[in-house]
Amino acid sequence: GNSVTQMEGPVTLSEEAFLTINCTYTATGYPSLFWYVQYPGEGLQLLLKATKADDKGSNKGFEATYRKETTSFHLEKGSVQVSDSAVYFCALSVDNFNKFYFGSGTKLNVKP
Amino acid sequence: GAGVSQSPRYKVAKRGQDVALRCDPISGHVSLFWYQQALGQGPEFLTYFQNEAQLDKSGLPSDRFFAERPEGSVSTLKIQRTQQEDSAVYLCASSLGRDATMEQYFGPGTRLTVT
Repeated sequence: GNSVTQMEGPVTLSEEAFLTINCTYTATGYPSLFWYVQYPGEGLQLLLKATKADDKGSNKGFEATYRKETTSFHLEKGSVQVSDSAVYFCALSVDNFNKFYFGSGTKLNVKP
Repeated sequence: GAGVSQSPRYKVAKRGQDVALRCDPISGHVSLFWYQQALGQGPEFLTYFQNEAQLDKSGLPSDRFFAERPEGSVSTLKIQRTQQEDSAVYLCASSLGRDATMEQYFGPGTRLTVT
């Protein structure tokens, strides 16, 4: 079937540390991959996406590369800030169908 | 401009009651989604509308759940004879077009507690 597995949180980092949040997927067809972020007290919002193998999505200093060979879409940021504290969700859709599968979310806490 | 709005924000229902949750998508958005999010989990897909047509309802957990979008804008998710396992946050999202790679804009959610 179709599913997303994310690393469990919470992840606690000091400001300016390097961030990786792992995401792997299984898909019965051709996936498009997304990272959504939920800041405290706000709704989910799209952070970045990649729709083809080897594509890199990027936004606000975050990056993720769609790796078909490892079925992964890991989220990275070189230097996190306190304002990056949020819950991050990896998600996929398959064959351009409007049905989305979300991971369970990874909470990131960044300490000053 | 206005984002996706949902009402009520909080709903407490006694087991067995019917509830109706409303979603006002961004004006002009073709696609509308409903999700159920249990505590500490990611959103689980319930159903998808393209304009007024319900194209996918495969995520609705039982026939007690019903959704409609009669004029292709506002949508209502109805849950009949609520059960404790229905307690969750119900999220609505909309996107501009039909392409599944387009950004979804999420509402703040309705937190349903069934006692």
